[in-house]
Amino acid sequence: DIQMTQSPSSLSASVGDRVTITCRASQDIRNNLGWYQQKPGKAPKRLISAAFSLASGVPSRFSGSGSGTQFTLTISSLQPEDFATYYCLHHNSYPLTFGGGTKVEIK
Amino acid sequence: EVQVVESGGDLVQPGGSLRLSCATSGFTFSNYWIYWVRQAPGEGLQWVATIKEDGSETYYVDSVRGRFAISRDDAQNSVHLQMNSLTAEDTAVYYCTTRRALSTSYFDYWGQGTLVTVSS
Repeated sequence: DIQMTQSPSSLSASVGDRVTITCRASQDIRNNLGWYQQKPGKAPKRLISAAFSLASGVPSRFSGSGSGTQFTLTISSLQPEDFATYYCLHHNSYPLTFGGGTKVEIK
Repeated sequence: EVQVVESGGDLVQPGGSLRLSCATSGFTFSNYWIYWVRQAPGEGLQWVATIKEDGSETYYVDSVRGRFAISRDDAQNSVHLQMNSLTAEDTAVYYCTTRRALSTSYFDYWGQGTLVTVSS
């Protein structure tokens, strides 16, 4: 099974900060990776598919990069509505696995 | 408007069974793979089960294989998750989510989730 190691598990940042979250896969998953945002009590929301394709309606301050085993989600200028938990998901093969999550909190 | 609505969550005793349902509308159901993803209280997300758009393939995480069964009813645009031999480790909010066939965009539509609590 492919393991997804996400870091950091939490971070504190201010509005306007640039934030970077990383996911590392235990083996090559090409670009078969998505990023999701989840707010408390809500279902996750897709942000990025195929490692770097922005989902419809997602602000351009979100971007994804990487391929193979190393992937990054970047928020170029953190906004108040971005405080949430973020997850990566690999879909290269079954079982699909999520990273452990990164909670982005207000500094 | 796309709608994905889960139902069937409840409090059940260990060893018991439960059947979750996922009702959908607003998209061409027969073109979509359907997934169940769960989230234990205070924990992260875990993929549970998948059914292909034509029902010909199903996949399960190891911890539920042999106990859970996913099925679809194209006439009702719905998916079901039959859960048997439930344990406390199955306690979670269960989400239904989708992927259009042949797309690399996973989990585009989500329901609001249904809570399953396994406890005596």
